[in-house]
Amino acid sequence: DIQMTQSPSSLSASVGDRVTITCRASQSISSYLNWYQQKPGKAPKVLIYAASSLQSGVPSRFSGSGSGTDFTLTISGLQPGDFATYYCQQSDSPPYTFGQGTRLEIK
Amino acid sequence: QLQLQESGPGLVRPSETLSLTCTVSGDSITSTNYYWVWIRQPPGKGPEWIGSIHYGGSPYYNPSLKSRVTISMDTSENQFSLKLDSVTAADTAVYYCALWYVAVTGTGDNWFDPWGQGTLVTVSS
Repeated sequence: DIQMTQSPSSLSASVGDRVTITCRASQSISSYLNWYQQKPGKAPKVLIYAASSLQSGVPSRFSGSGSGTDFTLTISGLQPGDFATYYCQQSDSPPYTFGQGTRLEIK
Repeated sequence: QLQLQESGPGLVRPSETLSLTCTVSGDSITSTNYYWVWIRQPPGKGPEWIGSIHYGGSPYYNPSLKSRVTISMDTSENQFSLKLDSVTAADTAVYYCALWYVAVTGTGDNWFDPWGQGTLVTVSS
């Protein structure tokens, strides 16, 4: 199985800040990397697919980059609704695996 | 707009079978463009892909669960289902059904969206 490791596990930031979350795959996955946002009691929602493509309807303050084994999710200008947990997920080969999550909290 | 809704018991006894159904509305589950998945999320942990199914194809399961899992489709009801045998407390989780979207551009890009709201299944005596 491909292991996905996110860092940090948790992060405190303020409204308006720019934050970056990283995700590392245990082997190359090309650009087959998706990012999801999950709020308490809700299902995950895809933000970024194919490492850097913004899903329709997602604000442009979210951006993704990377290829191979190292990827980043950047949120520029944090808004109150962005405080949530973020997961990366590899879609390169089954079993399709997720990271352990990064919890973004208000400072 | 495609919508998914999970249903099934919220409590299952250890060693018994967990059975859930996902009802799809907004389009037919037999569409050749659609693949369907089950995903679960134990409390406080990341999601785990359980398996996938496509109309006219064979289901594919996570090897870690393969010996206990069955995913099937009921086209007359526009539903697909999950059965997990011999459950233990480790199977306690929120179970989600979702569309596994595969890009028609041929790039191989794929992601899970949309998801159902999820249903908590607790394994306990």
